[in-house]
Amino acid sequence: NAGVMQNPRHLVRRRGQEARLRCSPMKGHSHVYWYRQLPEEGLKFMVYLQKENIIDESGMPKERFSAEFPKEGPSILRIQQVVRGDSAAYFCASSRGDRPWEQYFGPGTRLTVT
Amino acid sequence: DQQVKQNSPSLSVQEGRISILNCDYTNSMFDYFLWYKKYPAEGPTFLISISSIKDKNEDGRFTVFLNKSAKHLSLHIVPSQPGDSAVYFCAATPANAGGTSYGKLTFGQGTILTVHP
Repeated sequence: NAGVMQNPRHLVRRRGQEARLRCSPMKGHSHVYWYRQLPEEGLKFMVYLQKENIIDESGMPKERFSAEFPKEGPSILRIQQVVRGDSAAYFCASSRGDRPWEQYFGPGTRLTVT
Repeated sequence: DQQVKQNSPSLSVQEGRISILNCDYTNSMFDYFLWYKKYPAEGPTFLISISSIKDKNEDGRFTVFLNKSAKHLSLHIVPSQPGDSAVYFCAATPANAGGTSYGKLTFGQGTILTVHP
C-alpha cells in the first residue's frame, strides 16, 4: 500500500544545470499536484495535473519551470538553468479525481543549488 | 498577498492540556479547509478537514471549528501528547465554476507546536 513516492529525496545541482524531480502518485489517484516550500515559509502551489493534461499552472514561474504527467510513468517537475533561489523543498501530492481537496503528500525532494 | 494566515509562529503546551491552533483567511471563495501536520524532513500529513457548510468537525482528539463570518478556523487537540509536537499548517481551497471544491490548496505559514511531558 505505497503512498506517494518522490525521488530523489535530495538533489544538488550547480547553477545553470537542470533539475528533474519525479513523483509517482498513490495507487488509484489520477491527479497530481506540485508545491514548493522555501525556507521559513509555508507551501506554495505550483501546478495541478491529470494524465497528459495540465489543469492549473498558475503557480509556476513563467520561465525555466515545466511539469508533465505522461500516460505512463511518473510526473516530472523540470527546472532548467537552476539558480540559487530555486533551492527549496518540492512536494508532490496526489488525489482521487472526485476528491481533489483530499491530497496526500510525498516526502519531498530537497533541492540545493550551489 | 497572504490569503491564509497563521499568526502564531509557535505554541507551547503541557501534556494532557488542550492545544488550540488558529488560522485566518481573507478569500471568501474558499470552500474547503484542511489541517496538515508536518515533521521535519517529511511531507505534510492530512489530519482533518471541514466543508464551508459546516461549523464543526470532530475526529478523535482533533476538532476543527469554522467561523465563516469571522473568516477564522481553529484546530483543537485534546488531550495533547508529546507525539503531537510538529508544525501544523492550515490550508484552504476554493470551489470551481461547477461549485465543487477545487484542488489548489493555499497554505498558511505554519505553527510549531511543542507539547511538553
